[in-house]
Amino acid sequence: GESVGLHLPTLSVQEGDNSIINCAYSNSASDYFIWYKQESGKGPQFIIDIRSNMDKRQGQRVTVLLNKTVKHLSLQIAATQPGDSAVYFCAEPRPESGYSTLTFGKGTMLLVSP
Amino acid sequence: NAGVTQTPKFQVLKTGQSMTLQCAQDMNHEYMSWYRQDPGMGLRLIHYSVGAGITDQGEVPNGYNVSRSTTEDFPLRLLSAAPSQTSVYFCASSLDGQLMTQYFGPGTRLLVL
Repeated sequence: GESVGLHLPTLSVQEGDNSIINCAYSNSASDYFIWYKQESGKGPQFIIDIRSNMDKRQGQRVTVLLNKTVKHLSLQIAATQPGDSAVYFCAEPRPESGYSTLTFGKGTMLLVSP
Repeated sequence: NAGVTQTPKFQVLKTGQSMTLQCAQDMNHEYMSWYRQDPGMGLRLIHYSVGAGITDQGEVPNGYNVSRSTTEDFPLRLLSAAPSQTSVYFCASSLDGQLMTQYFGPGTRLLVL
């Protein structure tokens, strides 16, 4: 299947700043994406998803933007807090599994300093 | 409701040894899957199951076996461990394959010497 990848391996921000984590995908037919947060020593945790019929989706303090023209999506975290420190992954469903499993990008580590 | 549980938390094996990583869920989820995560990488799919008695291969299945005798359990077997299998292993389950409902376990850290 096509791969999902990230631009930056580590992002360091100050508490209160807005964070932007980027992700590129290669398959123009991809139509659903999920962002996961993985805290140290834990499994990934669902944050937010977006379908290709949307350009933007907002959650609590998080916004995902999807640009299908350049095959790029981003996760924006508003007023970043120390508890946001984690690795963030974008992922997309694997068609071979009936879209029930995932292909993950490599991840971006977000470090939030007080 | 314990969610997805994995045992052991940490294991050291010697090359050639066999072991089974356990995964159980109490949410009556039909879909279960195993991923491995190597340092600085995303998770890669090993095997998955869409229901009891049904399993299929993922992206990196070589060296691993699975079976799904019950809805609750999905063990992952390493028949002859190799250093390349040193990784963190995550089990996940979801209701009807809906990824929004997918939960990951806490992981098993495996070191093969």
